[in-house]
Amino acid sequence: DTGVSQDPRHKITKRGQNVTFRCDPISEHNRLYWYRQTLGQGPEFLTYFQNEAQLEKSRLLSDRFSAERPKGSFSTLEIQRTEQGDSAMYLCANHQGAEELFFGEGSRLTVL
Amino acid sequence: AQKITQTQPGMFVQEKEAVTLDCTYDTSDQSYGLFWYKQPSSGEMIFLIYQGSYDEQNATEGRYSLNFQKARKSANLVISASQLGDSAMYFCAMREGAGQAGTALIFGKGTTLSVSS
Repeated sequence: DTGVSQDPRHKITKRGQNVTFRCDPISEHNRLYWYRQTLGQGPEFLTYFQNEAQLEKSRLLSDRFSAERPKGSFSTLEIQRTEQGDSAMYLCANHQGAEELFFGEGSRLTVL
Repeated sequence: AQKITQTQPGMFVQEKEAVTLDCTYDTSDQSYGLFWYKQPSSGEMIFLIYQGSYDEQNATEGRYSLNFQKARKSANLVISASQLGDSAMYFCAMREGAGQAGTALIFGKGTTLSVSS
């Protein structure tokens, strides 16, 4: 158990619906990352926060995606108007120590 | 160009034997970090081992060791005395820059390891 909690673990939705994922990291004042992983691939970087500031966004993060980290604690990732191509595992990660990056168990999204 | 290359889509090993999973990387930074993660079928990403670019000795964590060859830009993972529970997907990753001031991790495509009895 890395202490990084993600909710929900699984989400099935119909195309066009909005979904929101939540990540509760161990540390409030460190970097928090969101990654997306599709079947058979390595995780791909989406965005990261330093405290409450969103410092970098990947070009993978279309305008249907928005992420927040109010007060530098938990973070949410919202996908609006979901498409079948959004089906993936969404992973949250948080630094614990200077180097190690620990991941939550992920939120698996299936868009029908 | 790929930043992280894992050329072995799948590897097979017998219990109690050692196995090496290959990873090469591409960076022009002097300061960077290399990571290995294990992902079982349940999906969680489990941190295994870390090697900093300035570390002179190869990193070791229990049965895991990282064979770091800086000039060749390779960071192979060696698992000694394989166990059935080692069957999983293994990802190599790199961070450019130092610590939490560096970039986000960039991952390779992974290697599936299958351990048989």
